[in-house]
Amino acid sequence: DAKTTQPTSMDCAEGRAANLPCNHSTISGNEYVYWYRQIHSQGPQYIIHGLKNNETNEMASLIITEDRKSSTLILPHATLRDTAVYYCIVRGDYKLSFGAGTTVTVRA
Amino acid sequence: NAGVTQTPKFRILKIGQSMTLQCTQDMNHNYMYWYRQDPGMGLKLIYYSVGAGITDKGEVPNGYNVSRSTTEDFPLRLELAAPSQTSVYFCASSYDRGEAFFGQGTRLTVV
Repeated sequence: DAKTTQPTSMDCAEGRAANLPCNHSTISGNEYVYWYRQIHSQGPQYIIHGLKNNETNEMASLIITEDRKSSTLILPHATLRDTAVYYCIVRGDYKLSFGAGTTVTVRA
Repeated sequence: NAGVTQTPKFRILKIGQSMTLQCTQDMNHNYMYWYRQDPGMGLKLIYYSVGAGITDKGEVPNGYNVSRSTTEDFPLRLELAAPSQTSVYFCASSYDRGEAFFGQGTRLTVV
């Protein structure tokens, strides 16, 4: 599976949109982009995934560039409960492997 | 639906002891995974399974064994526990490459 690069940490103001970048320049054609988050010491929670088209659900939007070498997860109206570690994962086969993720802190 | 259930939630082991971490899911998922997470670190994949009777190694399989005799259960066996195995262990399941559901974790301390 392709490697991903994410910023180590970022802050966001409550009520504002949070834009989380992820680089995956070695992604291949059959690999999907997944986003998970982990709040404190709980088990990770699925957010969204996509192949090439932009995706939206009740939690977030996923924007994938046309060349698929990078993507952005958008939390439209961040709340304090969105403070978590966010993981961007590129997955082509059975394995689901996590990197270091981005620690997102939402501030009041 | 209970989702993914892990037992026990907490355990203290002495060096050299063995134990089995239990994981069961009631969603009829074919894929199951075991991860460990050390303090302040990301999740590391230990083993995974794509169906009953099929298991494969992840990134950090040494010191662990798994079996998958049924779709529902995916136990993780620790033989000869070592302090380096002190960690939080998460089990997860998914249907193919869909959304993975995680258990609440087992906190293991080896002393």
